[in-house]
Amino acid sequence: GAGVSQTPSNKVTEKGKYVELRCDPISGHTALYWYRQSLGQGPEFLIYFQGTGAADDSGLPNDRFFAVRPEGSVSTLKIQRTERGDSAVYLCASSLRPGQPQHFGDGTRLSIL
Amino acid sequence: GESVGLHLPTLSVQEGDNSIINCAYSNSASDYFIWYKQESGKGPQFIIDIRSNMDKRQGQRVTVLLNKTVKHLSLQIAATQPGDSAVYFCAERGSGGSNYKLTFGKGTLLTVNP
Repeated sequence: GAGVSQTPSNKVTEKGKYVELRCDPISGHTALYWYRQSLGQGPEFLIYFQGTGAADDSGLPNDRFFAVRPEGSVSTLKIQRTERGDSAVYLCASSLRPGQPQHFGDGTRLSIL
Repeated sequence: GESVGLHLPTLSVQEGDNSIINCAYSNSASDYFIWYKQESGKGPQFIIDIRSNMDKRQGQRVTVLLNKTVKHLSLQIAATQPGDSAVYFCAERGSGGSNYKLTFGKGTLLTVNP
């Protein structure tokens, strides 16, 4: 597809479990971003990749959160020992280059029971 | 600190009317602003952007106005249609070395009544 693709669209899991969320950016986009959106709020920045490296991970809430982008395209956001407070929509965006308009996927709705 | 906020959380208009959605920002160093539209269950969709060296920019049925003196941004939608019903967010892009990071406000829910 032409847009940013995120899988799964929904994920329900129990507290304490490990989850992986996947993002396929627009082909050719070098910059990739993860955001988290709680109900009724705007997206909040988590991490930014330029190519394969995490250029800014200052938005990750704690060390249970980690993200990778090993080949500079697909990215995976990983959450260990999930907590109920992690429940949110996790959005991925990509841009052709840093600073250019970011295009968002439809997100993964994560629910921790 | 940096923050972006909206004056009105909800806005209800009649089909065919013009809509105005407002946004205040606090970082006077911000040089780029974007409006996004988010429909239920979807990701934010880019509508229009504006750089700080401009005070007005027009798109198709949408106009963004920037008043740097009072740090205010607005989105005007002409002849609002039911398909315009969504949450609208303004976002501020960081300046300098943080020009990749978007800071979003809470959003305004626009409801268009047929």
